[in-house]
Amino acid sequence: DADVTQTPRNRITKTGKRIMLECSQTKGHDRMYWYRQDPGLGLRLIYYSFDVKDINKGEISDGYSVSRQAQAKFSLSLESAIPNQTALYFCATAGSEETQYFGPGTRLLVL
Amino acid sequence: DQQVKQNSPSLSVQEGRISILNCDYTNSMFDYFLWYKKYPAEGPTFLISISSIKDKNEDGRFTVFLNKSAKHLSLHIVPSQPGDSAVYFCAWAGGTSYGKLTFGQGTILTVHP
Repeated sequence: DADVTQTPRNRITKTGKRIMLECSQTKGHDRMYWYRQDPGLGLRLIYYSFDVKDINKGEISDGYSVSRQAQAKFSLSLESAIPNQTALYFCATAGSEETQYFGPGTRLLVL
Repeated sequence: DQQVKQNSPSLSVQEGRISILNCDYTNSMFDYFLWYKKYPAEGPTFLISISSIKDKNEDGRFTVFLNKSAKHLSLHIVPSQPGDSAVYFCAWAGGTSYGKLTFGQGTILTVHP
C-alpha cells in the first residue's frame, strides 16, 4: 500500500463550488504539506503543518484553507473554486530530515 | 528570498549517453539541495540530495555536483536509459525556511532508444 494517499485522484467541479481534497499518510511523519503544480511553474507551497496544532501559510495560500485532523490526515479546501485553481495538487510528508515524500496527486478542473 | 531556477524546460538525449540537468540558485547560506523525478500521473519521488558542505554526491548512475562559487547545481545521469524519461525538479532547503522546499520549474528529460 502507498505511504501517502490522496483522494480523489481526479475531480471536475464548477466555479463557486466548495471542494475538499484529502491526504492520508502511514509514514508516521509529523510534517505535512500541500503543493500545486502548474505547467512551467514547478511546485508551489500552499500550506504546511509541522504537527497537529500547527498550520502555516505557504507561498500561495489565498483562496485555500486546510485542516489537520490527525497526525496522519491533512485536508485542503477550496471554499469557492475558480478556474485559475485548475491544477495538479500534491500532498507531501516529511520526518526529521529535509526529504519530502509525495502522494500521487489530484488533478482538479474548475469549469 | 531564495530562488531556484531551471532554465532549460526540456532536454533530449540518446540512450547510453550522459544527461546533464542544471539548476541555479540566488542566495548562499548553509543549504541542502534535492533532486526529484516525476513521471506522468504520479507524484514526485526523491532521487538524490547534497549538502552544501560537499561538492559531489553519487548514487549509482546519478551524481549531483554543487558549485558554490557559481551558485550552480547539476545532476548527471550516466548512462541514460529510456526509463529515465521524466520531469526533474531541483529543490532547495535551508536558511530560515526550515522544513520547507523551494522548487525549480522542472526540466523534461526525454531519453531516446
